[in-house]
Amino acid sequence: DIVMTQSPDSLAVSLGERATINCKSSQSVLYSSDNNNYLAWYQHKPGQPPKLLIYWASTRESGVPDRFSGSGSGTEFTLTISSLQAEDVALYYCQQYYSTPLLTFGGGTKVEIK
Amino acid sequence: QVQLVQSGAEVKKPGASVKVSCKASGYTFTNHAIHWVRQAPGPRLEWLGWINTGTGDTKYSRKFQGRVTITGDTSATTTYLELNSLRSEDTAVYYCARDRSLVLDVWGKGTTVTVSS
Repeated sequence: DIVMTQSPDSLAVSLGERATINCKSSQSVLYSSDNNNYLAWYQHKPGQPPKLLIYWASTRESGVPDRFSGSGSGTEFTLTISSLQAEDVALYYCQQYYSTPLLTFGGGTKVEIK
Repeated sequence: QVQLVQSGAEVKKPGASVKVSCKASGYTFTNHAIHWVRQAPGPRLEWLGWINTGTGDTKYSRKFQGRVTITGDTSATTTYLELNSLRSEDTAVYYCARDRSLVLDVWGKGTTVTVSS
């Protein structure tokens, strides 16, 4: 199974500042035949289901604010919140779908306000 | 609108089974597979399995193989997750989620399953 490792486990960022979350996969999730990275990011708030933010490593889901961006390729990926807002306090997960339908998630990163 | 409505919370004793339902509406049921994911206190998300709602094909996580069964009823646009031989570590919120071109774009609100003697 592809293992997804996120860092840090948690981070505290001041309102308006940048938050950066890292995700590493145990093997490449870049599919050579279509040159796509099979990597998604989700936001999870307490009492709500997870919400899809980013797919193909860098494509923002419809309706997701443009302060959220994804980057990276192969085995290393980053989710960046360019200017943290109060409503962004949540857990964030990366997830590979290279081995679809077998999916694996990272351990989660908790984002809080400093 | 597109939604997945899950059944209510369950409390089970160790060794028992639980069956959770997920009713889809607002789209063509057989056009999208359904995945089941859980979040135990931790907070890691775990994938349990998947059903191709068009063919009925299923795939399960190796961790849960032999204990989990996912089924679908196209006439009721509903999928079911059954987990057997429950133990305390199975206490979690169980989610169904729709597969849209391999990503999970619509999620149910979750079903809390508590396993306690």
